[in-house]
Amino acid sequence: GAGVSQSPSNKVTEKGKDVELRCDPISGHTALYWYRQSLGQGLEFLIYFQGNSAPDKSGLPSDRFSAERTGGSVSTLTIQRTQQEDSAVYLCASSLAYGTSDDYGYTFGSGTRLTVV
Amino acid sequence: EDQVTQSPEALRLQEGESSSLNCSYTVSGLRGLFWYRQDPGKGPEFLFTLYSAGEEKEKERLKATLTKKESFLHITAPKPEDSATYLCAVWGSSNTGKLIFGQGTTLQVKP
Repeated sequence: GAGVSQSPSNKVTEKGKDVELRCDPISGHTALYWYRQSLGQGLEFLIYFQGNSAPDKSGLPSDRFSAERTGGSVSTLTIQRTQQEDSAVYLCASSLAYGTSDDYGYTFGSGTRLTVV
Repeated sequence: EDQVTQSPEALRLQEGESSSLNCSYTVSGLRGLFWYRQDPGKGPEFLFTLYSAGEEKEKERLKATLTKKESFLHITAPKPEDSATYLCAVWGSSNTGKLIFGQGTTLQVKP
């Protein structure tokens, strides 16, 4: 596609339920990132996939959070047993590998707004 | 630990009133400094990458500059459509490829 696509755009879930957030990166982008943005806050890094390398999971806040990337393309972020503090906008981004473009900039999707009630 | 601090948190300008946004950073081995624009309800939109001190890049009314400790985003004769949150991020050699973001500066340009 022309851009990074995220679904759903909005998700309201009850505390304790599991949720899955989906990201379709730009075709050909080998790197994929998940960030979280809470109200009025900056972007918090969650996880990073680069090609076939092991993902960098250093930003995942707890073992309730996990992510996978299938076939080097689509990624799913899963939050188990959601808590109210998980409410935020979850942003996905993709990029070419460093050194393959002049600007090495991420392209972000519009995000999934998660509300845990 | 890599850190990014942006100032001011919020800035109100009259249309045509030029100003600058600041991004101070500490990073072990800067590989790149990035500026993004974010409109409400949308993901950040990439503006610039700067790689070394002294580098400058321009796009329409925006000009980004970089020193060894900070970056400035200069806005010349802003228009109301420049109103947005501007985010700064750094990529350091200790990070695999992730960017560390500042809190952002929310700019409002009044007609």
